[in-house]
Order: sequence, then C-alpha cells, then structure tokens
Amino acid sequence: GENVEQHPSTLSVQEGDSAVIKCTYSDSASNYFPWYKQELGKRPQLIIDIRSNVGEKKDQRIAVTLNKTAKHFSLHITETQPEDSAVYFCAASRGDDKIIFGKGTRLHILP
Amino acid sequence: SAVISQKPSRDICQRGTSLTIQCQVDSQVTMMFWYRQQPGQSLTLIATANQGSEATYESGFVIDKFPISRPNLTFSTLTVSNMSPEDSSIYLCSASAGDTGELFFGEGSRLTVL
Repeated sequence: GENVEQHPSTLSVQEGDSAVIKCTYSDSASNYFPWYKQELGKRPQLIIDIRSNVGEKKDQRIAVTLNKTAKHFSLHITETQPEDSAVYFCAASRGDDKIIFGKGTRLHILP
Repeated sequence: SAVISQKPSRDICQRGTSLTIQCQVDSQVTMMFWYRQQPGQSLTLIATANQGSEATYESGFVIDKFPISRPNLTFSTLTVSNMSPEDSSIYLCSASAGDTGELFFGEGSRLTVL
C-alpha cells in the first residue's frame, strides 16, 4: 500500500521568511496530492492540492510542486505570517480512493 | 463542499466498555472514512465505510474491535469495542464527494479511556 514520508517533523522560520516541507510517496499509481493544515484543537482543512498531470500549482503565498518521476512533492509558503503556525500534513491518493497522510510538520513562525 | 457533524464530541469511558460515534454529512458523498489521531500524531486511516456492505479495514484494524456501519450515503457509525486506555484518541469521520477528491473532516470525537 501507499506510504508517505514527510520532512521535517518540526520547522521554525522567522516571520516573513519562506518555509518548505517535503514529502515522498511510494505508490506510482497515486495521482492526487493534497496538503492539509491543522490548527490546535481544530479539524484538518485542505489548503492546496495538485494532480499528477501538472508540475506546479500556486495560490497566493502557497505553492506546491510535484516530481512524479522521483515520487516527491513539496509545499512552499512564502512571506510567512503568524497565522501560518500550525501542523501541515501532506497526503497521497489514487484519486477516487482512500487518502494516506504523512506524519505531519509542526511549523512555528517566529516573531 | 460537505459539512460533517460528529457526536459525541468527547467522552470519558471505562475500560471494557464500547462507544459508538455517529457521523452525519449534509450532502451525498461517495466515500466516507474513519481516521484516528493520537495526541500530536498523524491521521491514521482505520477503514473505508462502504454503503450497504462491510467496511474495508486497513492493516492493524479489525472489524471486531472497530465495527463500522454505513446504511446510506450520508451517515456512518464507528464503534470502539472493549476499550482500553490505548484507545484514547481523537476519532475523525471524513468524506469525499469523489469528483474533486477533496476530503472533508468532522470536528472529531475525543475519547478518554480510564
């Protein structure tokens, strides 16, 4: 089955700097890669996703890149703000199937 | 989008008892799933809830311990049976409309087993 590895487990960046979180997946049939943000005590919420027919997707300060050959994808957050502090999860799926999550990255934005 | 309601939101249970968590979605969805999230940990998939048939369990989870029902497209239950302190966790119901693949989550049910 699918296995998703995520790094780093914890990331601290100065406010205004960029943050990058990286994930790898094992199942070459996976074609849908969402990223979820979970604030303390809240449910996970989708922030951006990418499908295997594109290499990059951007939404304001957030971007995701996908390298299908290498089976890895990354989340980039630019101009970080205090409200970006949260746990971020990458995930992979075959599309119309279950979604498997990475272990998460706790992002701290330092003042 | 889909709005998912779960109950109970939290409960404290005695060892050896069972608890059923209910999940209601406000619109018809194709896929429903149950995840477990232990404090500070990731989201571990327990099973896919299949409408009108037995759930599909992930490795490490069995039907006797986590029986799941899904009688229709918008409702599912998860029972945590014969609970032990190791079952203390947040249990999250989730659903996908299938066309976009986006997964929506309920607010979770926080179980504490004494």
